[in-house]
Amino acid sequence: DAKTTQPTSMDCAEGRAANLPCNHSTISGNEYVYWYRQIHSQGPQYIIHGLKNNETNEMASLIITEDRKSSTLILPHATLRDTAVYYCIVGSSGGYNKLIFGAGTRLAVHP
Amino acid sequence: GAVVSQHPSWVICKSGTSVKIECRSLDFQATTMFWYRQFPKQSLMLMATSNEGSKATYEQGVEKDKFLINHASLTLSTLTVTSAHPEDSSFYICSARGTSGSPAKNIQYFGAGTRLSVL
Repeated sequence: DAKTTQPTSMDCAEGRAANLPCNHSTISGNEYVYWYRQIHSQGPQYIIHGLKNNETNEMASLIITEDRKSSTLILPHATLRDTAVYYCIVGSSGGYNKLIFGAGTRLAVHP
Repeated sequence: GAVVSQHPSWVICKSGTSVKIECRSLDFQATTMFWYRQFPKQSLMLMATSNEGSKATYEQGVEKDKFLINHASLTLSTLTVTSAHPEDSSFYICSARGTSGSPAKNIQYFGAGTRLSVL
């Protein structure tokens, strides 16, 4: 599975957009980009995933570069409840594919 | 999104006893379930992958005789920590991926986790 690189931590003001970058330069053609977040002492929460097109859902937007070597998760209007560790993970969608978690980005949203 | 239920949410046990943790997919069928462990201030570490009706595949360094995994149905997997010791104290988290015909087919959904404390 391709590895990802994320900043260790980021800050964001409440109400502003939070843009979380992720590098995955070794991604292969059939691998998706998944984003999860983990709020303290809880299980990870699925946010969004994509293959090559940009994706948007009620939680966030995912922007994937044309060469697929990097992506950005966008939380359009961050709230205090968005404070969490955000994980960018690359993996194929089916079969026995396992998600391998890196260290993630610790996002702190402040008033 | 799909719901994965994990029980119990926390458990305290004495050293040498065994503890069973259940993971259920409530609104979808899961061909594959995964078990992770997380120590304080660390990321999730995959322990094993289980497929319904077959033996689990363990990650390197994970003792299969100590962490028994059973995936007897498409909605239930269990992890039993046998002869638990204090060093097994951790946060155990399961996840499930839906079958090919499920809305959850490409996504792993996670349970809320089980905090195990071994005295």
